[in-house]
Amino acid sequence: GESVGLHLPTLSVQEGDNSIINCAYSNSASDYFIWYKQESGKGPQFIIDIRSNMDKRQGQRVTVLLNKTVKHLSLQIAATQPGDSAVYFCADTPSGYSTLTFGKGTMLLVSP
Amino acid sequence: GAVVSQHPSRVICKSGTSVKIECRSLDFQATTMFWYRQFPKQSLMLMATSNEGSKATYEQGVEKDKFLINHASLTLSTLTVTSAHPEDSSFYICSALSRGSSYNEQFFGPGTRLTVL
Repeated sequence: GESVGLHLPTLSVQEGDNSIINCAYSNSASDYFIWYKQESGKGPQFIIDIRSNMDKRQGQRVTVLLNKTVKHLSLQIAATQPGDSAVYFCADTPSGYSTLTFGKGTMLLVSP
Repeated sequence: GAVVSQHPSRVICKSGTSVKIECRSLDFQATTMFWYRQFPKQSLMLMATSNEGSKATYEQGVEKDKFLINHASLTLSTLTVTSAHPEDSSFYICSALSRGSSYNEQFFGPGTRLTVL
């Protein structure tokens, strides 16, 4: 992900809406990309990952899209629920044996 | 899935004291553990990588004499913040990898909130 900022972008949605969270990364050599969910006062929780040889991967209610041309990653959450409220981080790494670089994060607020 | 615990979950200490934070892998052997630091409303910043039985590798700008890391066993790594000051107040998170796993397969602990008065 890109370098850390001093504020957290926020996305506010209604329950049942679809949410799209975006992330830009800077390392053109990155090969693995991961989305994490972090609830307040807790550690990051793995959501979904994607390798650079794919442009889309689907999980349960979540889809990750990767556009390597513009170094952009997105997380789509279908039928967002209040329990999805958290901060979402993307992370990237150039190989399986290099450290992760975390993006700045987006706070998702879901109102009932 | 694999479980990583941290102890304590919260600690408040006086300026100048040292604080030890433990990170344990509960159901797997962690050959590599990572320590991250997270300031409020910011992202995780990697502080250091520790491999069992060897010295930790610190990221640029992280003082190794201030943040002592020990990974003496395959299930335990400790981070000691020495002579803590208010600017060390932060959320410290560890993660762990089992042998042969890729770095994208890290399991994260729940974090430790350090407040230095």
